[in-house]
Amino acid sequence: DQQVKQNSPSLSVQEGRISILNCDYTNSMFDYFLWYKKYPAEGPTFLISISSIKDKNEDGRFTVFLNKSAKHLSLHIVPSQPGDSAVYFCAASGNQFYFGTGTSLTVIP
Amino acid sequence: NAGVMQNPRHLVRRRGQEARLRCSPMKGHSHVYWYRQLPEEGLKFMVYLQKENIIDESGMPKERFSAEFPKEGPSILRIQQVVRGDSAAYFCASSQQGTVTYEQYFGPGTRLTVT
Repeated sequence: DQQVKQNSPSLSVQEGRISILNCDYTNSMFDYFLWYKKYPAEGPTFLISISSIKDKNEDGRFTVFLNKSAKHLSLHIVPSQPGDSAVYFCAASGNQFYFGTGTSLTVIP
Repeated sequence: NAGVMQNPRHLVRRRGQEARLRCSPMKGHSHVYWYRQLPEEGLKFMVYLQKENIIDESGMPKERFSAEFPKEGPSILRIQQVVRGDSAAYFCASSQQGTVTYEQYFGPGTRLTVT
């Protein structure tokens, strides 16, 4: 039972444009959401997070939006850079972390 | 480098052998989590440990898998009598506190291949 879903396995974006990665969840009790970035042969690294009491959190080029009524969150990267090419996982926390299956982002120079 | 360390990075075992995966958390972190990533899947929680205690093992298969985090030394994930389906990347993460609002820092993973 996948409680956190990332329905787009891959995304390609031109350098300088906006990348939007989406994530849906099923459990309304989740109270904290995170995005992790993963390069091949490395572990995930924390990118940005948001508490369920907020609807937006911004850190430099990265912004996470949370729509609790739709049980949906998204990560916006603007402007996208080639170094952003990686797999992005969203995660939700309840009594443990639940991860999505990841979206592979390719930023084309 | 004071990050989370895992070894070995790659481990090949024949069916029926034992696999031992090690994880040293970040300095100052006393909470360790193990995750498994199967091909084409996301990270799946396996177990959460503190020193000498298993806090949550709800994601651990009931048989052949065990984990420990002794008072001294790294955390160990042990898989007995491995089968082909155990082939996966196993990631360890650590955090400073046990509440899930603290970010978990991941190690580079151990890629287990069962032949």
